[in-house]
Amino acid sequence: EVQLVQSGAELSKPGESLKISCKGSGYNFIRHWIGWVRQMPGKGLEWMGIIYPGNSDTRYSPSFQGRVTVSTDNSINTAYLQWSSLEASDTAMYYCARLFTGGVDYWGQGTPVTVSS
Amino acid sequence: QSALTQPRSVSGSPGQSVTISCTGTSSDVGGYNYVSWYQQHPGKAPKLVIYDVSKRPSGVPDRFSGSKSGNTASLTISGLQAEDEADYYCCSFAGRHYVFGTGTEVTVL
Repeated sequence: EVQLVQSGAELSKPGESLKISCKGSGYNFIRHWIGWVRQMPGKGLEWMGIIYPGNSDTRYSPSFQGRVTVSTDNSINTAYLQWSSLEASDTAMYYCARLFTGGVDYWGQGTPVTVSS
Repeated sequence: QSALTQPRSVSGSPGQSVTISCTGTSSDVGGYNYVSWYQQHPGKAPKLVIYDVSKRPSGVPDRFSGSKSGNTASLTISGLQAEDEADYYCCSFAGRHYVFGTGTEVTVL
């Protein structure tokens, strides 16, 4: 059974760094693109970036380029989303998602991130 | 990369049909047959209901159907049921990445 299990809720202060994770299981991790999606409170879904673990090809949506870093550790089938300096506007639910050409077939359960002083 | 345009809300009575549009450009919706649709209930992760414009994943009821004409894709829910009340998002491949629609709230009256 394919599963994407994300790390737990985070409460951070503005200016702090943060790294959240998404562990894949039940499939060949390096053969599928993984993406990160932001959903701000009461708002829609936004693609942040996608990565192909097999060769580390990484692509960012223009709105998120330079603001976040997407990476993987293929030895433990885990994808990461990290910030070097959080802002209050980063408060949101973050989903990881397994991609196929036609879209997303599996989603993580979501990681809520709250940034508040 | 701008979000694809969807109506903010649509509604219908049980048993009726509703159609949600998703308008993009020739660089996304119009350029590829890789449009997908997602259903999201409050507090839950999205769920795939249509992919490759008109294909249904296993387990999705056949009352969900998709189509595309030019730069606009559409999701139709026929025989609307109470459990179909949710937010729906379209998504299109855009060459090097993907773009979501603005989202549509479906209300079952």
